Amino acid sequence: GQNIDQPTEMTATEGAIVQINCTYQTSGFNGLFWYQQHAGEAPTFLSYNVLDGLEEKGRFSSFLSRSKGYSYLLLKELQMKDSASYLCAVRARRNTGGFKTIFGAGTRLFVKA
Amino acid sequence: ETGVTQTPRHLVMGMTNKKSLKCEQHLGHNAMYWYKQSAKKPLELMFVYNFKEQTENNSVPSRFSPECPNSSHLFLHLHTLQPEDSALYLCASSQASGRDSYNEQFFGPGTRLTVL
Repeated sequence: GQNIDQPTEMTATEGAIVQINCTYQTSGFNGLFWYQQHAGEAPTFLSYNVLDGLEEKGRFSSFLSRSKGYSYLLLKELQMKDSASYLCAVRARRNTGGFKTIFGAGTRLFVKA
Repeated sequence: ETGVTQTPRHLVMGMTNKKSLKCEQHLGHNAMYWYKQSAKKPLELMFVYNFKEQTENNSVPSRFSPECPNSSHLFLHLHTLQPEDSALYLCASSQASGRDSYNEQFFGPGTRLTVL
């Protein structure tokens, strides 16, 4: 089966850096997503990592280690608007063909002044 | 406004009803998705369509029946639902994805479904 773990909540200060971790266990790993979701709104796609390493996209960066089953989302220069839930999701190949995507429960980030 | 519209925005239905959710995208994309978001549960990807072909079905009960007549439209047909199916149903679209790539998805506002 698949298992995805990420912290339930985190708090950080405006202007700081925060790292949100995600660990997973799955067979047939294909890639890992990060999404941002503000309360009452639809999710926003942030990144999809397939290969090991760090991918940077503005203030947000995502890291993947396939051998360790580990990813993190790094948010720099935090702003109040970054207060949201951050969802980690894993895409994996099915034994019977095709893919399946499983989401973690999400990490609620609170940014304080 | 993301270019993805969903109708209706709210729906209340009984367990014996048949209803359909509609999604339309105006972004020229060729992949479309249905998601379910229940209170206090992780987001669930239900179905994926690439070029009108279903490429992912994440063990969704048969009382949910998707239909993708063209790359711009996606439907979710509902019949004999259960109260636990009450949730926010989100549609998204993107450029078609390959085995090792995934293009940015754009989400619609969702349909809030309540099953009585």
